[in-house]
Amino acid sequence: EVQLVESGGGLVKPGGSLRLSCAVSGLTFTNAWFSWVRLAPGKGLEWVGRIKGKSDGGTTDYAAPVKGRFTFSRDESESTVYLQMNSLKTEDTAVYYCNTDNGYYGLDVWGQGTTVTVSS
Amino acid sequence: EIVLTQSPGTLSLSPGERATLSCRASQSFSSSYLAWYQHKRGQAPRLLIYGASSRATGIPDRFSGSGSGTDFTLTISRLEPEDFAVYYCQQYGSPPKTFGQGTKVEIK
Repeated sequence: EVQLVESGGGLVKPGGSLRLSCAVSGLTFTNAWFSWVRLAPGKGLEWVGRIKGKSDGGTTDYAAPVKGRFTFSRDESESTVYLQMNSLKTEDTAVYYCNTDNGYYGLDVWGQGTTVTVSS
Repeated sequence: EIVLTQSPGTLSLSPGERATLSCRASQSFSSSYLAWYQHKRGQAPRLLIYGASSRATGIPDRFSGSGSGTDFTLTISRLEPEDFAVYYCQQYGSPPKTFGQGTKVEIK
C-alpha cells in the first residue's frame, strides 16, 4: 500500500522559512513523480507544483504564486520529498498535501496534510 | 494557464437524488487529463475520476465522468450520505495543473 506522510508544518512569521517533508512508502521512489497541493482557509485546492522522478531528471515546476520562493527536492536514500518555503506570506497559510503525480492516472494517492500558519 | 470554472457553487440535494456537477475550461485541452476529486473536511482529497471518465480504484459506480474539449461533467447517480462533500475538477496535462474552485454538495 502506498503511503505518504507529511510533517514539518507549524507557525511562522511573515518573511520566515519552513521545510515540509513527505515520507513515502509502498512504491518505487526513484521513478515516482510527486505534486504538492494546498488548501487555504475558505479557499479551494491550489496546485503548488511538482517534482519529477530521478530517472526523468528530477526537474520541477511551480505555480506562479510560489515561484522563486518555494523549492522542491527529493532524497532517494530516505524516500522523502521536501518542500522548502522561504519568504513566507500570510497568504501561504494552508494545509499542504503531497501526493503521487501518476501521469495519466492523476494525483492518485494523497497524504493527510500538514498545516502551515503564517502570522505575526 | 487554463482556468476551470465549476458550477453550481453549491448544490442542495437529498440522499437518493442525482447530482450533476459542471466544469468548464477557458480553453480546450486533452480530455485525457481531466480529473475529479472529492474532499471532506479534515480528510485528504480523494481521486474519483481520471481521464475525464475512468473511475479510480475503489470508487463506486454511482460516480461517472464525461465530457471533452472544454465541458466536463461529474454525475453522482444516487447520492449516499457519505457523498456530501466538496468536489473539484483539475486539468493535469501540463503545468500549472489548475483546479476549479469547487462545488459543495450539501444535504437539502
